Amino acid sequence: EAGVTQFPSHSVIEKGQTVTLRCDPISGHDNLYWYRRVMGKEIKFLLHFVKESKQDESGMPNNRFLAERTGGTYSTLKVQPAELEDSGVYFCASSQGVTQYFGPGTRLLVL
Amino acid sequence: QQQVKQSPQSLIVQKGGISIINCAYENTAFDYFPWYQQFPGKGPALLIAIRPDVSEKKEGRFTISFNKSAKQFSLHIMDSQPGDSATYFCAARPGYGGSQGNLIFGKGTKLSVKP
Repeated sequence: EAGVTQFPSHSVIEKGQTVTLRCDPISGHDNLYWYRRVMGKEIKFLLHFVKESKQDESGMPNNRFLAERTGGTYSTLKVQPAELEDSGVYFCASSQGVTQYFGPGTRLLVL
Repeated sequence: QQQVKQSPQSLIVQKGGISIINCAYENTAFDYFPWYQQFPGKGPALLIAIRPDVSEKKEGRFTISFNKSAKQFSLHIMDSQPGDSATYFCAARPGYGGSQGNLIFGKGTKLSVKP
């Protein structure tokens, strides 16, 4: 069974540009989470989808971040416009029960 | 405010030794405490997890010790091997309201096991 996949694996953009990250959860998992780790800090929760609905988006930093989950399958996280402090590793995780399975992450660098 | 505090930040252990990583939390509503292992270039992978009604859980060389009254839990890696070299994260899950899903992580411990 395929695990959680994320695309791209790396992204380098300039401040003010737009970047869209994609996550494909494990097939059949209703829960999808986005997390972010800024260098040297803890992995921080961003938001949680149950199917196509946002269950909890309390961790989203500001309105430059927009997450969607089309038809309850894959999810995208768009950052527009990107700022320097948005650099970090963005992880996606999915679950059907209590265990969350993480993807390899997208390493975003904003210059 | 960091809700889960993890120590040490880094740890060097000789092959065959015991690696111990500690975490402390404040929120008594947390109901699930997993440990994740992350290798470079990979995402975190669940290693072992415990609920607060259990004081210890062992899976192979990995043991979680849980002290509910002290609000602390720790990971013990027995007979540490070079292949255990990775970053380890403790986490906790709030078991209430709309936040039942998200995990709150510690800052991570980079473990190096020397041959």
